[in-house]
Amino acid sequence: GDSVTQMEGPVTLSEEAFLTINCTYTATGYPSLFWYVQYPGEGLQLLLKATKADDKGSNKGFEATYRKETTSFHLEKGSVQVSDSAVYFCALRRSGGSNYKLTFGKGTLLTVNP
Amino acid sequence: IAGITQAPTSQILAAGRRMTLRCTQDMRHNAMYWYRQDLGLGLRLIHYSNTAGTTGKGEVPDGYSVSRANTDDFPLTLASAVPSQTSVYFCASSDSKASGRAGELFFGEGSRLTVL
Repeated sequence: GDSVTQMEGPVTLSEEAFLTINCTYTATGYPSLFWYVQYPGEGLQLLLKATKADDKGSNKGFEATYRKETTSFHLEKGSVQVSDSAVYFCALRRSGGSNYKLTFGKGTLLTVNP
Repeated sequence: IAGITQAPTSQILAAGRRMTLRCTQDMRHNAMYWYRQDLGLGLRLIHYSNTAGTTGKGEVPDGYSVSRANTDDFPLTLASAVPSQTSVYFCASSDSKASGRAGELFFGEGSRLTVL
């Protein structure tokens, strides 16, 4: 079945440091890939997405590139801020049909210190 | 702007009791979902509904039931709560028929349930 594997956290960085959170997936066909973010006490919000190979999703300084050859969708940000402290979830949606469901990774807690 | 409203936000429940978590959306999205979030396990899909009048089982459906009588409401019922159902429950919706928007879920703020 479909699965998403994220690097285990927690990840602790200083402000302005470079961030990478690794995500790899297993799925048949060509899934769409997503990063969701959950700020403390809130529900998840879509951060960025990519729907086909080599697409780059970007938002709020975060980027992730859909790499079909390595089945990866790593999240990066060049300079993190304290306000980026949150839990980040990688997710996939299988392509085609009426399957609207997402499969999520286990989440990675990011803490950014001033 | 409401989006998705969940109730209650928090509840402590005795084992064996029946509990319904409410979820209402005002975006007219066709698809709705219930996830549970547990430390170390991430989000797991309990039940989903692709459109009003239809429901389906997710990854962890046992002990839970749902109904989708109309587009806006998607209640989750625990018929007889057990301690292993202690979790944070998130309702979500998506306009999966919109071109390019499938997979974009909108989440409520969660319902924290403790079963003693």
